[in-house]
Amino acid sequence: AQKITQTQPGMFVQEKEAVTLDCTYDTSDQSYGLFWYKQPSSGEMIFLIYQGSYDEQNATEGRYSLNFQKARKSANLVISASQLGDSAMYFCAMSAFGNEKLTFGTGTRLTIIP
Amino acid sequence: DVKVTQSSRYLVKRTGEKVFLECVQDMDHENMFWYRQDPGLGLRLIYFSYDVKMKEKGDIPEGYSVSREKKERFSLILESASTNQTSMYLCASSLPKGYEQYFGPGTRLTVT
Repeated sequence: AQKITQTQPGMFVQEKEAVTLDCTYDTSDQSYGLFWYKQPSSGEMIFLIYQGSYDEQNATEGRYSLNFQKARKSANLVISASQLGDSAMYFCAMSAFGNEKLTFGTGTRLTIIP
Repeated sequence: DVKVTQSSRYLVKRTGEKVFLECVQDMDHENMFWYRQDPGLGLRLIYFSYDVKMKEKGDIPEGYSVSREKKERFSLILESASTNQTSMYLCASSLPKGYEQYFGPGTRLTVT
């Protein structure tokens, strides 16, 4: 069984600052993938970034990077130079390789303050 | 761009009604999923389908059924709606083998 834990229910960050959203996971699978999604108030889930468990380098996508620490079983999302449009719910998720199902965390609500 | 559409953004139904939630994707994805999202619980998988007429139960299938007669369309059915099924329902699709899932805008269902 897989479990994702997001311990920050809500965060407030000043515009233009960097922000780190925490995610820890638990799995007995040797190969797995980690995902981050953003959910604005409109409701649609938007895929942000992916990290494979065997990837040696941390994934980056524009202002998003994933700080992957395998030994600690953590996959934190870092957003650089935050913008007002980054205000949203953020979900961490994982799946075992070859498994179609995603397990989601409970999410973190990020609010960017002007 | 992948597009996943859901038949309604908001829906209000009465207890005991049969409810159909429709989802259509236009990217020829093999996999389709139905989740429900509740505050503090994240997203929980109800059912998923990996091919036409094929389905597999997720974590919370009780009270729900699904239908996939065509590759692009995946329906979630509440046979007899109950108030504890009031929730946000999200549909998603993906390629096989654990690729990222693409989500629709969600249907907020209220059962009174």
